[in-house]
Amino acid sequence: AQTIHQWPVAEIKAVGSPLSLGCTIKGKSSPNLYWYWQATGGTLQQLFYSITVGQVESVVQLNLSASRPKDDQFILSTEKLLLSHSGFYLCAWSLEGDYAEQFFGPGTRLTVL
Amino acid sequence: DAKTTQPDSMESTEGETVHLPCSHATISGNEYIYWYRQVPLQGPEYVTHGLQQNTTNSMAFLAIASDRKSSTLILPHVSLRDAAVYHCILRVAMQQGTGSKLSFGKGAKLTVSP
Repeated sequence: AQTIHQWPVAEIKAVGSPLSLGCTIKGKSSPNLYWYWQATGGTLQQLFYSITVGQVESVVQLNLSASRPKDDQFILSTEKLLLSHSGFYLCAWSLEGDYAEQFFGPGTRLTVL
Repeated sequence: DAKTTQPDSMESTEGETVHLPCSHATISGNEYIYWYRQVPLQGPEYVTHGLQQNTTNSMAFLAIASDRKSSTLILPHVSLRDAAVYHCILRVAMQQGTGSKLSFGKGAKLTVSP
């Protein structure tokens, strides 16, 4: 069975500090990977997606970057956090190809002060 | 992707069958109808999807109108566990190797009372 793990579970960071959030998928090779963000009380927005190692496409610009260093790993980062980065970050995976439903991880709650 | 319209909220009681409507009047021929649900501080959970024919799985029955301009997610015998925000999303079939983009709106909040 496939499992998706996100770390950390929650983070409190200062404005201007760096950030690195991680996501690992086990039990599935070559998945499509996605990062989503949800502000408190807001709608879920897709930020990035990746279909293969080393390749990441940006969907929404939020002064964040993403990388896929391994087939099963997806990293979201920034060098300088903004207050507006606070929210709930979700990683998701899907099978290759069309019409594939996405499976979401447990999420990371980020508070920027 | 075309827009969907859902009620802001719906209320139900345990054991009832719930009908969650979704309007998508401008749906294109190659757009699939997806349903996800989300509880606070958790990731969305896939419920079901369909194109033209009604579909059923262990979670729900999806009824799609013959003109595809609306659909209804039917949840039989709801329990407290089914309380969530339900999202009706349209997704265009993507080209191989491009990933899939899901556009979530506010969804419909389903409340289930004991």
